[in-house]
Amino acid sequence: DIQMTQSPSTLSASVGDRVTITCRASQSISSWLAWYQQKPGKAPKLLIYKASSLESGVPSRFSGSGSGTEFTLTISSLQPDDFATYYCQQYNSLVAFGQGTKLEIK
Amino acid sequence: EVQLVESGGGLVKPGGSLRLSCAASGFTFSSYSMNWVRQAPGKGLEWVSSISSSSSYIYYADSVKGRFTISRDNAKNSLYLQMNSLRAEDTAVYYCAFTVAGTGAFDIWGQGTMVTVSS
Repeated sequence: DIQMTQSPSTLSASVGDRVTITCRASQSISSWLAWYQQKPGKAPKLLIYKASSLESGVPSRFSGSGSGTEFTLTISSLQPDDFATYYCQQYNSLVAFGQGTKLEIK
Repeated sequence: EVQLVESGGGLVKPGGSLRLSCAASGFTFSSYSMNWVRQAPGKGLEWVSSISSSSSYIYYADSVKGRFTISRDNAKNSLYLQMNSLRAEDTAVYYCAFTVAGTGAFDIWGQGTMVTVSS
């Protein structure tokens, strides 16, 4: 089974900051990686698919990169609405999620 | 509007059974693979099971294999998860989800249904 590891687990940042979250796969998943945003009590929302493709309606301050085993999600300028938990997901071989990164207000 | 609505959650004793349902609308249900994902209180997302459009291919996470059964009724536009031999660690919000845009990532999620396993 493919294991997904995100870092950091918690990230404290301020409005306007540029932040990066990393996701590593235990084996190559090519570009079959997605990023989700989840707010308390809500279902996850798809942000990025195929490692770097922006889902329709998602602000352009979100971007994804990487391939193989190492991936990043970058938010170029944090907005108040971005404070949430973020998950990576591989869908190269079945499905597996990272453990999540909670983005907190500093 | 594409929509998924889960139901069937509730409180059940350890060792008990429960059947979750996911009602689909706004798309041709029979054309898409479907998935169950769960989230224990305060924890991360965990993939549970997937089923192909015609039920030919079915997959389970090791944590539920042999206890849970995924199924679908394309005539009723519905997805199911039969959960047997429930354990405290199965306590979670259960979501159904799928990819309508064909990207492979889950672009459509239901609102979730809570399952609590406790004596």
